[in-house]
Amino acid sequence: GAVVSQHPSWVICKSGTSVKIECRSLDFQATTMFWYRQFPKQSLMLMATSNEGSKATYEQGVEKDKFLINHASLTLSTLTVTSAHPEDSSFYICSARKADYGYTFGSGTRLTVV
Amino acid sequence: GENVEQHPSTLSVQEGDSAVIKCTYSDSASNYFPWYKQELGKGPQLIIDIRSNVGEKKDQRIAVTLNKTAKHFSLHITETQPEDSAVYFCAASRRTGGFKTIFGAGTRLFVKA
Repeated sequence: GAVVSQHPSWVICKSGTSVKIECRSLDFQATTMFWYRQFPKQSLMLMATSNEGSKATYEQGVEKDKFLINHASLTLSTLTVTSAHPEDSSFYICSARKADYGYTFGSGTRLTVV
Repeated sequence: GENVEQHPSTLSVQEGDSAVIKCTYSDSASNYFPWYKQELGKGPQLIIDIRSNVGEKKDQRIAVTLNKTAKHFSLHITETQPEDSAVYFCAASRRTGGFKTIFGAGTRLFVKA
């Protein structure tokens, strides 16, 4: 199979602090992972493409200094929401692609900034 | 830019009836079309996919059809059950150029017992 593990599943943080979300491919190596943001009752919006060993590619309108992505190994990508504010509260989802399996999504992280 | 349109946004069916969700894509280079089911508070799960060299694919109660000429693809669920209730997303992507995936807006399916 193709399993993607995402942690934490939920997090509450104070405004101004930073939060790190991890995305791991458990049984395959992923040179590319994707980070999405999803607002209630809306579709997934691609934020950035995480590339192992190189800089992430951000979609238009996504602040790269706000959403730091690190893809340090073939099985781990992290998204850090820096200086979080209430408007950053959302459901963040990662995905990775395994050959012949298409894209597999993590279980998502619900971030609440208070 | 590329986009994927999905209809309807909400679909309510009686248990045992069929449900059909339709999508249209704009990027003619798209060649991979997955469908995802998302339950509340969870990440999307791949339920079926189809590649551009195939016109139809079936997996038990779920089937997907693709019309490349018209850039349409559809999800068909037969003999619906209450546990089929969820949000369904279609998507279109290329297998080259970064494998960028564009998602439809989603269809909220309600199956009434």
